[in-house]
Amino acid sequence: DIQMTQSPSILSASVGDRVTITCRASQSISSWLAWYQQKPGKAPKLLIFKASTLKRGVPSRFSGSGSGTEFTLTISSLQPDDFATYYCQQYNSYSRTFGQGTKVEIK
Amino acid sequence: EVQLVESGGGLVQPGRSLRLSCVASGFSLEDSAMLWVRQVPEKGLEWVASISWNGGGIAYADFVKGRFTISRDNAKNFLFLQMNNLRAEDTALYYCAKDRYSDYSGLGEEWGQGTLVTVSS
Repeated sequence: DIQMTQSPSILSASVGDRVTITCRASQSISSWLAWYQQKPGKAPKLLIFKASTLKRGVPSRFSGSGSGTEFTLTISSLQPDDFATYYCQQYNSYSRTFGQGTKVEIK
Repeated sequence: EVQLVESGGGLVQPGRSLRLSCVASGFSLEDSAMLWVRQVPEKGLEWVASISWNGGGIAYADFVKGRFTISRDNAKNFLFLQMNNLRAEDTALYYCAKDRYSDYSGLGEEWGQGTLVTVSS
């Protein structure tokens, strides 16, 4: 199975900060990578798919990049609504694995 | 508006079975693949199973192969997960999700709120 490793596990930041989360795959997944946001007690929400395509309605301060084995999610200017846990997921192989999550908390 | 509502969760003893259901509205179920994802409370997400738009393609996570069966009834707008021989480690919140594509990519575009399964004696 392809393993997905996110870093950092916890990120402390302030409103207005530029934030970057990294996701690494144990083998190449081309661009078959998605990013989700999850808030406490809520279901995950899809933000980005195919590594860099923003889902309709997702604010443009979110962006994704990368291909192969290394990917990043960037929030250009962190807003109060963005404090949440973020997960990457590969959907390249038979077993669609998630990263362990990155919690973005208030500094 | 896409809505997915899961049901069927509850407390069950190890070794017993449970059938989860997910009713879809706001879109035509036959246009989308569907998937189940689970989450142990306060832990990460685990993909469980995916099914293509017509049921012709199915995939399972290794930890449920041979025990869980995903199926769908497009005419009635339902997705199912039959869970047999349940184990304590299957305890989790189970989410139903609409795939962005009609094949079973596993990309969850829209999600339900989940149904809690607790396996304990």
